[in-house]
Amino acid sequence: GQQVMQIPQYQHVQEGEDFTTYCNSSTTLSNIQWYKQRPGGHPVFLIQLVKSGEVKKQKRLTFQFGEAKKNSSLHITATQTTDVGTYFCAGRGTSYGKLTFGQGTILTVHP
Amino acid sequence: DAGITQSPRHKVTETGTPVTLRCHQTENHRYMYWYRQDPGHGLRLIHYSYGVKDTDKGEVSDGYSVSRSKTEDFLLTLESATSSQTSVYFCAISDTSGRAGAGELFFGEGSRLTVL
Repeated sequence: GQQVMQIPQYQHVQEGEDFTTYCNSSTTLSNIQWYKQRPGGHPVFLIQLVKSGEVKKQKRLTFQFGEAKKNSSLHITATQTTDVGTYFCAGRGTSYGKLTFGQGTILTVHP
Repeated sequence: DAGITQSPRHKVTETGTPVTLRCHQTENHRYMYWYRQDPGHGLRLIHYSYGVKDTDKGEVSDGYSVSRSKTEDFLLTLESATSSQTSVYFCAISDTSGRAGAGELFFGEGSRLTVL
């Protein structure tokens, strides 16, 4: 079945440093979504990428979808303590089936 | 936040007992999902529903059953709970499958289940 791998599992940064998490799928995806989960909270949808090579920005967050539609990344510029949480990617197969989540990257930001 | 309510929010039970978790939505969304979240595994799909009385298995369905008799309610049942089912369970809803529209998931607050 479809597998989605996400790295790193943990990332500790100083406030102001950049952060990147990477997502790789074993199969070609129709789209990929990103979610953020604050400590003790529930996942919240951030964005969806659909097109090959697509890049989208939300303030300090930049999302990319690979040319082959098998990988994606989330980059945060100049992290803030409010960025703390777990970031998940979730890929949907080409048959518009179920979403498969990556393991998540837990981001800790030290002030 | 989307109108999703999970109950109970916390439960401690003993091995071998039946447990039912309830997800209630007020959004009239067609699709409903049950996920479990465990450290190092992310969110894994247990079962999902694409309409009343229409359900299907996810990637970790063994030991779980579901029912959806009304659009707004999706029940997850552990017939005989085991310690390996200790986890945080999230219900999620979406209004599309992803073919039309983003199909983003809206999650409930989660139900923490401990099986002793």
